[in-house]
Amino acid sequence: DIQMTQSPSSLSASVGDRVTITCRASQSINNYLNWYQQKPGKAPNLLIYGASSLQSGVPSRFSGSGSGTEFTLTISSLQPEDFTTFYCQQSFSIPRTFGQGTTLEIK
Amino acid sequence: QVQLQESGPGLVKPSQTLSLTCTVSGGSISSGTYYWSWIRQPAGKGLEWIGRIYTNGNTNYNPSLKSRVTISLDTSKNQFSLKLSSVTAPDTAVYYCAREDSSGYYPPPFDYWGQGTLVTVSS
Repeated sequence: DIQMTQSPSSLSASVGDRVTITCRASQSINNYLNWYQQKPGKAPNLLIYGASSLQSGVPSRFSGSGSGTEFTLTISSLQPEDFTTFYCQQSFSIPRTFGQGTTLEIK
Repeated sequence: QVQLQESGPGLVKPSQTLSLTCTVSGGSISSGTYYWSWIRQPAGKGLEWIGRIYTNGNTNYNPSLKSRVTISLDTSKNQFSLKLSSVTAPDTAVYYCAREDSSGYYPPPFDYWGQGTLVTVSS
């Protein structure tokens, strides 16, 4: 199985801050990396696919980059609704695997 | 607009079989090039992919659960189902169904999810 490791596990930030979350894969996954946002009590919602493609309807403050084993999700200017949990997921191989999650907290 | 909805018992006894159904609306489960997955999330923890079924009936399972999992498709009802046998307390989780659409970007991400259903394993 491909292990996905996110850092940090939690992050304190303020509205308007620029934040970056990192996701590392245990082996190269090309650019087959997706990012999801999960609000409390809700299903995850797709933000970014293919490492850098913005899903339709997702605000442009979200962006993704990377390839191989290291990837980042950047939020350019945090909004109040962004203080939730984010997961990366690889679609390179079966089984599909997710990172452990990064929770954004209000400073 | 595609919608997915999980249904099934919220309480299952240890050693019994967990059975859930995902009903798909807003599109045919058998048209297009779709993979239909089950994913679970224990309370306060991360996401674990259980397995998936393709529109032609082919399946892939997580090796960690493969001996206990069966995923099937019922095209007449536009549903797919999960059976997880010999459950124990660690199988307690919110179970989600989700779709991958391989007609666009490949390999596809999970673009549509159900709202999730909590299944508790307890006597």
